[in-house]
Amino acid sequence: AQSVTQLDSQVPVFEEAPVELRCNYSSSVSVYLFWYVQYPNQGLQLLLKYLSGSTLVKGINGFEAEFNKSQTSFHLRKPSVHISDTAEYFCAVRGPGTYKYIFGTGTRLKVLA
Amino acid sequence: ETGVTQSPTHLIKTRGQQVTLRCSSQSGHNTVSWYQQALGQGPQFIFQYYREEENGRGNFPPRFSGLQFPNYSSELNVNALELDDSALYLCASSARLAGNNEQFFGPGTRLTVL
Repeated sequence: AQSVTQLDSQVPVFEEAPVELRCNYSSSVSVYLFWYVQYPNQGLQLLLKYLSGSTLVKGINGFEAEFNKSQTSFHLRKPSVHISDTAEYFCAVRGPGTYKYIFGTGTRLKVLA
Repeated sequence: ETGVTQSPTHLIKTRGQQVTLRCSSQSGHNTVSWYQQALGQGPQFIFQYYREEENGRGNFPPRFSGLQFPNYSSELNVNALELDDSALYLCASSARLAGNNEQFFGPGTRLTVL
């Protein structure tokens, strides 16, 4: 069975500051990893994904994440945030050949002016 | 290319009633998954439909059921509604490609059970 832990429920950060949203996963098999963003009253939008290959993954809106197998982590980073990045961010895992995504409980990023 | 659409946007029901939520998948996608997102939580997998058949189910009771139609659109039906069924219901569609089953999510239907 797989599980996802997002350690921070809320992260406040000032505009133009860097941010890291943490995600740890548990799985007995190799997994695919994803970060989604959810703006108020909207569905989920894929930010980036790790399937295989380079452990540093770049996504949309200037976000990137690094897969660390030894630490079972997939932390999301952005060097300089904007007010428009204020949203809920979800980390998710999926096993190869399976159909089911397991989501974390989410991290609310609030960018302050 | 049309994205995933869901209807209705909002819905209010009372305990014991039945509800049907609808989802139109993205063009070219033959797989639809449904998720329940309770307030302050991440989405929880309900079930997936592939070519009109249920292809896997999460930890939800049988009163949660679904259908997929030949055009790959889908319905989620919930019978005997309970207060805890209040949530955002998300539909996601994908194309069944080897090694890459990226899901595209709709905007969701917010269900309130009174």
